Amino acid sequence: GAVVSQHPSRVICKSGTSVKIECRSLDFQATTMFWYRQFPKQSLMLMATSNEGSKATYEQGVEKDKFLINHASLTLSTLTVTSAHPEDSSFYICSAGGDRPSQPQHFGDGTRLSIL
Amino acid sequence: AQKVTQAQTEISVVEKEDVTLDCVYETRDTTYYLFWYKQPPSGELVFLIRRNSFDEQNEISGRYSWNFQKSTSSFNFTITASQVVDSAVYFCALSENAGSNYKLTFGKGTLLTVNP
Repeated sequence: GAVVSQHPSRVICKSGTSVKIECRSLDFQATTMFWYRQFPKQSLMLMATSNEGSKATYEQGVEKDKFLINHASLTLSTLTVTSAHPEDSSFYICSAGGDRPSQPQHFGDGTRLSIL
Repeated sequence: AQKVTQAQTEISVVEKEDVTLDCVYETRDTTYYLFWYKQPPSGELVFLIRRNSFDEQNEISGRYSWNFQKSTSSFNFTITASQVVDSAVYFCALSENAGSNYKLTFGKGTLLTVNP
C-alpha cells in the first residue's frame, strides 16, 4: 500500500487563489521530504527540500515567497502555492525518505494543479 | 555536477518483445546510489530498484532485470516478454549527497509503449 499520501489529487481554481498541498508519510517518520514539479512530458524537477522543524532549502530559481513550504511534524509537509497564476499550472509531487542515500524516496500520487 | 542521461525519449514495442532502457550517469562521488522509477499514465511514481555503487551484481526480479556497469557508468533496465501494462515513463535517478540531505537527480525519462 501507499506509504506517502498526497492530497488533493487535483485542483482547479481561479488565478490569484492560494492552494495548499499536503504530503503525509503514513507509516514512518520523515525528517526530510522533497517537493518536485513536473511539466507535461518532462522530468521531475526538484523545487525544495523540506526539513522538519527548520526552513526549507529551495533550489535555484524557485521563488520562496511563491512556494511556501512548512514541515511542522515528522509526518506532514505542506506546499502552498500563493496567488497562483496560469503559469503555476503543473503536476506537483512530494516524496519522503532519502535521509540516507541508500533509502529510496517514496512518492505521493501527485497533485495536478490547473489555474484558470 | 551530477547528471543522468536517458538517451531514448520514446520506445515502442509489440507485446512479448524484450526491451532495454538505457541510463548513463555522471558523478564525482565514490559512493552513490542509482534508482529506477516507473510512472504510469495515472502519474504516481513507483519505486523499482536501488543499486549502490559497490554492488555491481546484476539483479533480476521477475520479468525485470538490471545491468550495472560501473566501467561505463551505465545502469540499464531490461523488461523481458513485455506486456501492455508495462507502458509507462521510466526514470533513472542518481542519489546525490547534498549536505545532510540526499537529493535525487532524474533523467528525462523514457516513454515505453507496449502495443498489443
